[in-house]
Parts: sequence; C-alpha cells; structure tokens
Amino acid sequence: NAGVMQNPRHLVRRRGQEARLRCSPMKGHSHVYWYRQLPEEGLKFMVYLQKENIIDESGMPKERFSAEFPKEGPSILRIQQVVRGDSAAYFCASSARASRGDGYTFGSGTRLTVV
Amino acid sequence: KQEVTQIPAALSVPEGENLVLNCSFTDSAIYNLQWFRQDPGKGLTSLLLIQSSQREQTSGRLNASLDKSSGRSTLYIAASQPGDSATYLCAAYSGAGSYQLTFGKGTKLSVIP
Repeated sequence: NAGVMQNPRHLVRRRGQEARLRCSPMKGHSHVYWYRQLPEEGLKFMVYLQKENIIDESGMPKERFSAEFPKEGPSILRIQQVVRGDSAAYFCASSARASRGDGYTFGSGTRLTVV
Repeated sequence: KQEVTQIPAALSVPEGENLVLNCSFTDSAIYNLQWFRQDPGKGLTSLLLIQSSQREQTSGRLNASLDKSSGRSTLYIAASQPGDSATYLCAAYSGAGSYQLTFGKGTKLSVIP
C-alpha cells in the first residue's frame, strides 16, 4: 500500500521553461493538497483539489501556476515560464475525505531548482 | 489571518535530555493544532493532533499541550535520542470553511550522542 507518490524527486529547469510536478495520492484518497516550502520558510498552502474539481486555490499565485486532478491519473502542478523565485520544495498531501486538519498523508516532495 | 511562530529555530541537546519546543499562533479561534516531523529529503509525518477542546495529547515519549487563550502549544520530548533529530513543524487548522493548514517555520532539533 504505497503512500503518496511524488515525482520527480528533483527537477532542474532553466528560467523560462515549464515545470510539471506529479502527485499520485494514496489508494482510496480523492482529495489532494499542494503546499510550497521556500528556503528558510514554512510550508504555504497553494491549492486543494478533489477529482476533476479545484475546491480552493486561494494560495496559488495568480499567474504561471495551475493545478489539475483529472478523473484518471495523478494530480499535476504546472508552473509555466519558471523564475528563480520558484525554486522550492513542493509537497503534496492526500486524504480520504475533506480534511479538517487531520487525515493527511504527505509525499516526500519535489525539489525544484531554477537555474 | 493566522500566523504561526516557532521558537527556537534550532536546538541542540545532549542525548537523554528532556526538551520543549514552542509554537505560538495569533488567532485563538483554531479548530485543531498538529505537530509534524520532517526529515531531510522526506515528507512530513504527523506526530500529534490536539483538538481545540483538548488540552494535551500524548504518544510515547511525546506530549503536546494546547492553550488557546494564550495562543501557545508546546511539544515535550522526554529522554531525547539521536533518532529524534529532525525538524519539527507546528500547524494550525482554523476550520470555518478553510482547508488550509498554517505552518510555522519549524525547529531543527539535533540530539548529540
């Protein structure tokens, strides 16, 4: 029973390229949350998705960032035209029901480096 | 807007010592508060979750307390071991239609053998 799988573990992109981060939730989990951890900062909420729906994207930057969680396949966090300030660890968590602060299982994260 | 602060940012103790990690939050109207452990290159592991109606939770050598009136939580680790070395994160959940956890920056703990 695999946990939350995130890939790639490490991603290097040049400025202006696109970054695609994938998150496969735990089996039976249909709720996915993305968090970003900038260097020397705490984790910051980005977006909460349920299958095929974005429930809360209040933490997403208005430009260049998008997220989806299709009916089939992993959740994808997409960053277009990356800049150095996008360098961070991106964590995905999943839950079996809409979390009330509990029930999260976190993945190991994707470390994005923009050069 | 909820803000969570953790002090100290880093802590180094000799093995066997008891220690306390501190967490403060600005909005006392929280639904629950959770302590996580983060190991380098790995994800977060939930250690203890305290509901707003509770004062403390215990798991093995760990004890977490919550004082909503003062906006504080503490994580007590008894008889520390080198394997406890990690970053400890505190996260508040406010409820009220929000799905977000608000995290502190963490305390990096080093337990010296």
